[in-house]
Amino acid sequence: GQNIDQPTEMTATEGAIVQINCTYQTSGFNGLFWYQQHAGEAPTFLSYNVLDGLEEKGRFSSFLSRSKGYSYLLLKELQMKDSASYLCAVRFEVRGSYIPTFGRGTSLIVHP
Amino acid sequence: DVKVTQSSRYLVKRTGEKVFLECVQDMDHENMFWYRQDPGLGLRLIYFSYDVKMKEKGDIPEGYSVSREKKERFSLILESASTNQTSMYLCASSLSGGGETQYFGPGTRLLVL
Repeated sequence: GQNIDQPTEMTATEGAIVQINCTYQTSGFNGLFWYQQHAGEAPTFLSYNVLDGLEEKGRFSSFLSRSKGYSYLLLKELQMKDSASYLCAVRFEVRGSYIPTFGRGTSLIVHP
Repeated sequence: DVKVTQSSRYLVKRTGEKVFLECVQDMDHENMFWYRQDPGLGLRLIYFSYDVKMKEKGDIPEGYSVSREKKERFSLILESASTNQTSMYLCASSLSGGGETQYFGPGTRLLVL
């Protein structure tokens, strides 16, 4: 598999802004996804980036730099319900198929 | 809404048993995936399928096999369950082509004794 790195855990205060970084090997890159996963639940889609730049969707934004193999997920106006694991997933082309590979996830704890 | 269902939420099996995990999606997706999720290791791809009767190994296929006889159904088989296969198993599906997100099932927590 391809190496995808993201921090294991982050903490932040309700109402604040937090940035979760993700780095990956650039060879074969074909798109990057961010998912949110609450404890005991399935991952749910947050964002998709395939071109460089920022994608904004309400309180959540995702940024991609393909040349640097770098993405971040920005969460604004944090709420307690944002406490969850955030998964960075990169799709790579392997033998003609597009295979998504997940990072180990970043556990975000939002406290009052 | 896309719906991905898995046959069981919780399963307890004994070492050496043959185990079947079933996944069904109702959105006519071409791609289907099986992952296992373990603390500290994240989601790891076991097998995926991009069409009926087609399958490709993921990162950790050892000890597993899969079957896709119909487009909507993707089965994961543990031929002889072992304790190190105790894990959360997640099925996902997606359309083919670029930019298509995966939709995940609720997961099956398997305990092998």
